[in-house]
Amino acid sequence: DAGITQSPRHKVTETGTPVTLRCHQTENHRYMYWYRQDPGHGLRLIHYSYGVKDTDKGEVSDGYSVSRSKTEDFLLTLESATSSQTSVYFCAIRAPGQGNEQFFGPGTRLTVL
Amino acid sequence: KQEVTQIPAALSVPEGENLVLNCSFTDSAIYNLQWFRQDPGKGLTSLLLIQSSQREQTSGRLNASLDKSSGRSTLYIAASQPGDSATYLCAVEGMNGNKLVFGAGTILRVKS
Repeated sequence: DAGITQSPRHKVTETGTPVTLRCHQTENHRYMYWYRQDPGHGLRLIHYSYGVKDTDKGEVSDGYSVSRSKTEDFLLTLESATSSQTSVYFCAIRAPGQGNEQFFGPGTRLTVL
Repeated sequence: KQEVTQIPAALSVPEGENLVLNCSFTDSAIYNLQWFRQDPGKGLTSLLLIQSSQREQTSGRLNASLDKSSGRSTLYIAASQPGDSATYLCAVEGMNGNKLVFGAGTILRVKS
């Protein structure tokens, strides 16, 4: 157990509303990641962070923003949710002391109506 | 751009059979390769990580091998059980980044 929690675990929202997903870790790992998982596309990286206030874009970053004001929390925001952002969102951490092994949170299922 | 392919996309075997899942990647400049398991509706569980300098890793009935020069990895599952039924994903981390690139996965069903 890498001590990763995600909230909320399920959310239904309407098109055009802002949504924020939270990832919390208990082990002070420097790197944190947000992925989305969709049928036919597998897991794709949205954004990642390599320290407090240090973030970078991934493969599918359009329509998403992130923030990391504390080591333990990494927030993913959909500024104006669209139906194409209906997905399962996973947070992960990278453990450098274990060969950079990544560990994943339980996921958030987001439905945008 | 790194691309990761997993074959087969789905596999159904009787209980007790030994099986091999395949993963190939296009850029051999990798730092590590990781195998995950995902149960329906759940998150990913890390099974094995092979660093680029290693040839294989073992955990219980699982053995993962890596041939970096040919861009291939295999996950061997011995004496399969119904509880092994899940989707198995492989992912590689490149030398020039701190990001994983995932394959689409192999859906495994072990019949009792």
